[in-house]
Amino acid sequence: AQSVTQLGSHVSVSEGALVLLRCNYSSSVPPYLFWYVQYPNQGLQLLLKYTTGATLVKGINGFEAEFKKSETSFHLTKPSAHMSDAAEYFCAVSGITSYDKVIFGPGTSLSVIP
Amino acid sequence: GAVVSQHPSWVICKSGTSVKIECRSLDFQATTMFWYRQFPKQSLMLMATSNEGSKATYEQGVEKDKFLINHASLTLSTLTVTSAHPEDSSFYICSAGGGGQHSYEQYFGPGTRLTVT
Repeated sequence: AQSVTQLGSHVSVSEGALVLLRCNYSSSVPPYLFWYVQYPNQGLQLLLKYTTGATLVKGINGFEAEFKKSETSFHLTKPSAHMSDAAEYFCAVSGITSYDKVIFGPGTSLSVIP
Repeated sequence: GAVVSQHPSWVICKSGTSVKIECRSLDFQATTMFWYRQFPKQSLMLMATSNEGSKATYEQGVEKDKFLINHASLTLSTLTVTSAHPEDSSFYICSAGGGGQHSYEQYFGPGTRLTVT
């Protein structure tokens, strides 16, 4: 079975400050891990993904995440927050095929304070 | 590439009526499609998994007679909400897998906002 937890349902940062969104997962098989962003009344946009290989993954819009197997974590970071980063962020885990379910975490709402 | 569309993008219906939502993979063949439901301020909850030509597999707690899923072709899956009630109002999102560069890739549609009055 797989599951995802996200610490902090709401995170506020000042514009220009570091963004850190936490994600921990549980998986009985080697996981594929994802971060998605969702703006109000819109669908999901893939920020980045980890499958195999390099544990530091770079995504779009300056985001990156590091897979730490020993900590079962996949935290999302961005060095400098922009106002446009305000959105809902979902961490997700899946198996290694397209037949596998994608299990989403509860989400973290990011607010950016000017 | 790997685009998934949903139609309609939003729909309002009266209580007791049925509503059909389409999910299409536009440029690839989707062997598997997934349907999710998202209530306001909540995460996506998987409702069912459908494979082309076979019956859908529903998650625990999802009424299969209420949420009818058909995956008749490799590019189209439909979700029909039968006898809709206000509590069925939600954001419904589909995803499609089996195409793209990687076998594990799933591609999400833009979602359909259903409001039942």
